[in-house]
Amino acid sequence: EPEVTQTPSHQVTQMGQEVILRCVPISNHLYFYWYRQILGQKVEFLVSFYNNEISEKSEIFDDQFSVERPDGSNFTLKIRSTKLEDSAMYFCASSRVVADTQYFGPGTRLTVL
Amino acid sequence: QQQVKQSPQSLIVQKGGISIINCAYENTAFDYFPWYQQFPGKGPALLIAIRPDVSEKKEGRFTISFNKSAKQFSLHIMDSQPGDSATYFCAASMHFGGANNLFFGTGTRLTVIP
Repeated sequence: EPEVTQTPSHQVTQMGQEVILRCVPISNHLYFYWYRQILGQKVEFLVSFYNNEISEKSEIFDDQFSVERPDGSNFTLKIRSTKLEDSAMYFCASSRVVADTQYFGPGTRLTVL
Repeated sequence: QQQVKQSPQSLIVQKGGISIINCAYENTAFDYFPWYQQFPGKGPALLIAIRPDVSEKKEGRFTISFNKSAKQFSLHIMDSQPGDSATYFCAASMHFGGANNLFFGTGTRLTVIP
């Protein structure tokens, strides 16, 4: 069964450093998402991406964040200058069409020191 | 603004019992209500979902009950098993205008005691 994959599984970085989280969505999916989950809290939407542009973004997704689909398979989330409060689990998800089920990857645990 | 409220925060059920988790939403534009199951260290996985044109959907031991007028929906797990022990999230989304981001509830940690 196809699945969303994410790398790395755990990223530790120093405050102020840039990080890139990588995702490989399910191959025939057209919509891509990033969510985050701070430890013990609910999953929060960050951004959705379709046709090589952002469809929607939340208030969390400020200028420090960017997304990119650099090739036909990868979908990345970049945080330019990490803050302590960016420490969270980041989930990538994809769906075939806009109204379809979103399938989540296993997540990347980001720890900012 | 908390768009989806979920209760209880934690739930302990005996094996074979019924687990019930409740959610309420505010935005009447929501038209898709999924439940996700999350095991420790894993991403959320879709369990079952409902659209507001039906009041109930059943898949195996899992049932969603939906009350559009009250803006509430609930997950019932019949014959709960220890393997059901996980965190359950309700969510809601709207598809008007191409939007599809999920608004999650705060989660319910279910523990099923053997």
